[in-house]
Amino acid sequence: DIQMTQSPSSLSASVGDRVTITCQASQDVSNHLSWYQQKPGKAPKLLIYAASDLDTGVPSRFSGSGSGTHFSLTISSLQPEDFATYFCHHYDNLPLTFGGGTKVETK
Amino acid sequence: QVQLVESGGGVVQPGRSLRLSCSASGFTFSSYTMHWVRQAPGKGLEWVSSISYDGSNKNYADSVKGRFTTSRDIPKNTLFLQMNSLRTADTAVYYCARVGRSLRNFDWLMGWGQGTLVTVSS
Repeated sequence: DIQMTQSPSSLSASVGDRVTITCQASQDVSNHLSWYQQKPGKAPKLLIYAASDLDTGVPSRFSGSGSGTHFSLTISSLQPEDFATYFCHHYDNLPLTFGGGTKVETK
Repeated sequence: QVQLVESGGGVVQPGRSLRLSCSASGFTFSSYTMHWVRQAPGKGLEWVSSISYDGSNKNYADSVKGRFTTSRDIPKNTLFLQMNSLRTADTAVYYCARVGRSLRNFDWLMGWGQGTLVTVSS
């Protein structure tokens, strides 16, 4: 199984900050990597697919990069609605696996 | 617009069974592989099972293999997860999700439902 190691597990930031979350796959997943945002009590919401493509309706302050085993999600200017937990996910093969999550909290 | 609505969760004793449903709308159900993903309370996401767009190919996580069965009723646009021999470790919110592109077995997941909570407890 491919292990997805996400860091940090949590971070404190302020509105307007630039935030970067990283995700490392234990083996090459090409660009088969997506990012999700989850708020308490809600389902995950797709932000990024194919490592760097923004899903429809997702604000342009979100961006993704990387390929192979190293990936990152960047929020260029953190907004109040962005405080949430973020997960990376590979879909290169089965079993699908997810990173442990990064909780973005207010400083 | 893709809409998925899960139902069927509840409280059940260890060893008993439960059947989850996921009602799909807003897309051609027969063209998309579907997945079940679960999330234990306060924990991360765990893939559970997938079923190909035509129902011919089914896959399961090792943790549920032999106990859970995925199926789909294409005319009724409904996905099912039959869960037998439930364990306390199966306690979680269960989500259904659709893959991003039609006729693909592996793809990003989108249109997640709101989830249904399964609690396995004596």
